[in-house]
Amino acid sequence: SAVISQKPSRDICQRGTSLTIQCQVDSQVTMMFWYRQQPGQSLTLIATANQGSEATYESGFVIDKFPISRPNLTFSTLTVSNMSPEDSSIYLCSGKYGTGGLDTQYFGPGTRLTVL
Amino acid sequence: EDQVTQSPEALRLQEGESSSLNCSYTVSGLRGLFWYRQDPGKGPEFLFTLYSAGEEKEKERLKATLTKKESFLHITAPKPEDSATYLCAVQAILTGGGNKLTFGTGTQLKVEL
Repeated sequence: SAVISQKPSRDICQRGTSLTIQCQVDSQVTMMFWYRQQPGQSLTLIATANQGSEATYESGFVIDKFPISRPNLTFSTLTVSNMSPEDSSIYLCSGKYGTGGLDTQYFGPGTRLTVL
Repeated sequence: EDQVTQSPEALRLQEGESSSLNCSYTVSGLRGLFWYRQDPGKGPEFLFTLYSAGEEKEKERLKATLTKKESFLHITAPKPEDSATYLCAVQAILTGGGNKLTFGTGTQLKVEL
């Protein structure tokens, strides 16, 4: 399985501020993704982090709110911008090996964000 | 739109009491169905991938099965350490490939002594 780490593990932030979450994967991972898990809801894909280019966002998520970078193969960041209490959630980084469509996605430990 | 519904939402079992969790799905062409286990405060841990109807996979006390409309996660003689939330996800066949997983909301399992 993939080795995926995230930091911070949790944070409490004030409304209107921004938080950047970091994700580090092992060198065998080829694709990286960001998910959100809101309380009582299912995991939802935010975007695919593309190395050296703009992320590919899912419907309902925009770059201005969730800017994502992936400067190299093993590192990505997700920023939650201009936060509101509705952004309180667990944010998860995932990665998979290979480029085949059916390769398993493995998840990091998550970042628990609370916005006051 | 792909949809995944898991039932029950919560399940309480006595140690050794076998049961099954259900995952019903609608997808425009199934590429794969995934089961994950999630412990409190942690990310999902991969358990199984199922690709086609009739397929079964086992790991310790867990067995996953797949039909054209649903998947079951059978838990045989569970132990307290099996307590967790079990998540089901589907991946659809998309033109040009696609990696999006559509998740259900999970079944929260508690196994008591």
